Amino acid sequence: DTAVSQTPKYLVTQMGNDKSIKCEQNLGHDTMYWYKQDSKKFLKIMFSYNNKELIINETVPNRFSPKSPDKAHLNLHINSLELGDSAVYFCASSQKSQGVEAFFGQGTRLTVV
Amino acid sequence: GEDVEQSLFLSVREGDSSVINCTYTDSSSTYLYWYKQEPGAGLQLLTYIFSNMDMKQDQRLTVLLNKKDKHLSLRIADTQTGDSAIYFCAEKGGATNKLIFGTGTLLAVQP
Repeated sequence: DTAVSQTPKYLVTQMGNDKSIKCEQNLGHDTMYWYKQDSKKFLKIMFSYNNKELIINETVPNRFSPKSPDKAHLNLHINSLELGDSAVYFCASSQKSQGVEAFFGQGTRLTVV
Repeated sequence: GEDVEQSLFLSVREGDSSVINCTYTDSSSTYLYWYKQEPGAGLQLLTYIFSNMDMKQDQRLTVLLNKKDKHLSLRIADTQTGDSAIYFCAEKGGATNKLIFGTGTLLAVQP
């Protein structure tokens, strides 16, 4: 039973398209995150939601829009995709009050051509 | 600043010990972590240490924390080929619980 699941695992799309990546966690956590891992393997946080409210919004182009319909889901929508958006996107979740471990999904490899 | 630095590459022979080092900048970090990423896979939490501890041992893994120097290390005893992966240290930043990751160390274990 997967704790944090992302779909799709792989996504290849053309420049200019709009795409979404979905994330669901079944751990009952109240906080979810999106991280981006670039081609050099650098990992950086993009967004975080706590109880459906945005609490972290790093310097990310506004073509990226996260949406949290409920505590268990955090989706990432990307408009007008650019070549530089190619990366692996990881979703994660944690329980803010306990605050020790964050569980990560398997990642979505996005390739923009 | 939020820079967390690691050496990029470490090569060891099977059976030897591996030591992966990390320096961080945020002295207010409450927890420090080591994550493992195998090729094409997600991030797996290996171990973590609370900032008021100096050392934590968990089977083959030993974490050392020097808070004065903001230096964290991970020692893997009896390194196996299955330990080959990228290892990331991370610090938990402030009240938002976000993780600030290091640059990652690629560990290559030679048979």
